[in-house]
Amino acid sequence: GQQLNQSPQSMFIQEGEDVSMNCTSSSIFNTWLWYKQDPGEGPVLLIALYKAGELTSNGRLTAQFGITRKDSFLNISASIPSDVGIYFCAGQTSLDGGATNKLIFGTGTLLAVQP
Amino acid sequence: DAGVTQSPTHLIKTRGQQVTLRCSPISGHKSVSWYQQVLGQGPQFIFQYYEKEERGRGNFPDRFSARQFPNYSSELNVNALLLGDSALYLCASSRRSYEQYFGPGTRLTVT
Repeated sequence: GQQLNQSPQSMFIQEGEDVSMNCTSSSIFNTWLWYKQDPGEGPVLLIALYKAGELTSNGRLTAQFGITRKDSFLNISASIPSDVGIYFCAGQTSLDGGATNKLIFGTGTLLAVQP
Repeated sequence: DAGVTQSPTHLIKTRGQQVTLRCSPISGHKSVSWYQQVLGQGPQFIFQYYEKEERGRGNFPDRFSARQFPNYSSELNVNALLLGDSALYLCASSRRSYEQYFGPGTRLTVT
């Protein structure tokens, strides 16, 4: 199935370090979302972006909607052990006034934080 | 408010059997989508329903079907199960054109 290119594939960092990951697509999206997933659980929504160029923060997380509408970035500042998990980007295109929408997910970034 | 709920949590089936998975959306959400997540990959879109109408279908065989009920809950049915159908099945709900919220998933194992 279709997946977006997400990098890096994995990151192993020390507690307190900052983290950056990105997601690219060959298609244009009108919404970008970032999710975090713990093993065996459903993805949890972290940030949603709706406009090209938009920069949005949620606590220590900051995400940006790329100007071309084909990419997005997520930054985590001052990482802590509970940041461990898999981070997924997802692009969404809404049609029919929003009645039709589906998410295309990235390949995921595994984040490990050493105390 | 309660989040998206799914049942059952885990399920073990034999090849060739049929399975029905259930999802209740967040109150006020009229859109329900189903995704399949194979181990090590991101979720793949299967179906979307809005106001009880199918609004989108992913690249899955006809063995997969779904429906949405008047209370906006949804069922996903998979017939003639294959080993490759083993996965985490996720349900997500949303308001019209807003962000999607996921349930905890149903882990299906086909033996």
